[in-house]
Amino acid sequence: QSALTQPPSASGSPGQSVTISCTGTSSDIGGYNYVSWYQQHPGKAPKLMIYEVSQRPSGVPDRFSGSKSGNTASLTVSGLQADDEADYYCSSYAGSNNCVFGTGTKVTVL
Amino acid sequence: EVQLVESGGGLVQPGGSLRLSCAASGFTVSTYYMSWVRQAPGKGLQWLSLTYTGGNTYYVDSVKGRFTVSRDLSKNTLYLQMHSLRVEDTAVYYCVTIRGWHFDNWGQGTLVTVSS
Repeated sequence: QSALTQPPSASGSPGQSVTISCTGTSSDIGGYNYVSWYQQHPGKAPKLMIYEVSQRPSGVPDRFSGSKSGNTASLTVSGLQADDEADYYCSSYAGSNNCVFGTGTKVTVL
Repeated sequence: EVQLVESGGGLVQPGGSLRLSCAASGFTVSTYYMSWVRQAPGKGLQWLSLTYTGGNTYYVDSVKGRFTVSRDLSKNTLYLQMHSLRVEDTAVYYCVTIRGWHFDNWGQGTLVTVSS
């Protein structure tokens, strides 16, 4: 039940794109298409942005997209906006009734 | 509209106990998978438990034997009973609904501080 690995930080200028990676193992990310991504602003609860690798909940802009290759999932935020500055966490089902989160990435809009 | 409201957090001494509540509205807790997730100050998210619709609950290894989840269906409320609390259990505790193995509705969280 080790945390998934994310880079501590990522940044981009307004209008640019930023991609965040989330690396796990064949027991979690590589074994299931149940990767999800969450955005968390300071002092707020996390918000679901992507589920099942690449699906967007209603109301989430299509600037947010997800993908997976092997044991690594990725979240791309295109057309960066000031409000995208937040912490982002990935999560995966890990089998045997377990779930695991990533270590988190702070996205800064320059 | 699905709403989750946690309560019961506070200051407790190491070795003490505390019970958190999660009052649900807009749905019935017995019809959703539910989880508790915590976040230590300045740290990342940690999944703690998974409760199926039938009530079976599974826990992360670090809280097994110390934390217990229960439900009161008459109050539509989920509980997290915590015993033998440690300083490292200090965190904001969130109640969350799960669908398809993603966490879709979150409460506002309740802060638990374990300190002497």
